[in-house]
Amino acid sequence: GESVGLHLPTLSVQEGDNSIINCAYSNSASDYFIWYKQESGKGPQFIIDIRSNMDKRQGQRVTVLLNKTVKHLSLQIAATQPGDSAVYFCAENINYGGSQGNLIFGKGTKLSVKP
Amino acid sequence: DAGITQSPRYKITETGRQVTLMCHQTWSHSYMFWYRQDLGHGLRLIYYSAAADITDKGEVPDGYVVSRSKTENFPLTLESATRSQTSVYFCASSVPGGGYEQYFGPGTRLTVT
Repeated sequence: GESVGLHLPTLSVQEGDNSIINCAYSNSASDYFIWYKQESGKGPQFIIDIRSNMDKRQGQRVTVLLNKTVKHLSLQIAATQPGDSAVYFCAENINYGGSQGNLIFGKGTKLSVKP
Repeated sequence: DAGITQSPRYKITETGRQVTLMCHQTWSHSYMFWYRQDLGHGLRLIYYSAAADITDKGEVPDGYVVSRSKTENFPLTLESATRSQTSVYFCASSVPGGGYEQYFGPGTRLTVT
């Protein structure tokens, strides 16, 4: 089965609040993690990534935290806006036969922002 | 900058027919991927390609065929479509050596009747 999963399938937050989306992974050898945002009817869009030698990385209004001890990844969105409403996927990089890694995706969390 | 495009965006076909989904990217990315997205399964890798004329199977390759004669194109063919292949198909591309982020196309919604 998939090694990447999400704790919460749906998340509803108030506009202006911070959002936290969680992800568990099981492959301790994974060296790269990435978050995607997918709006209805569109392809996944890159948000932020992090390598396994880091535990935190910040972008514009987003922060990814990596806890390798418990194999947990989270995406924090500051001051959540209606435009943040989407499905969010985490993915981990797993190498097949030594080639560039292929991403294994979790099932996704739907974020709904209430005005 | 067109990026990565897919055609058609929507397709309805009958069981047993052959159908080809097209993917084109303008970045000259060496890696290209095909995924299917189904409710409850997330994105699953069908095939990927490291370069022109190099392809390999992903998690769910059965019933699909790919080719890559040119770097910019990566068509996916369903040789004899089945209802279980009704899905949304996404093509993606990436550049090796840096991060592993993949850039996705807009998707093709395929319905097999």
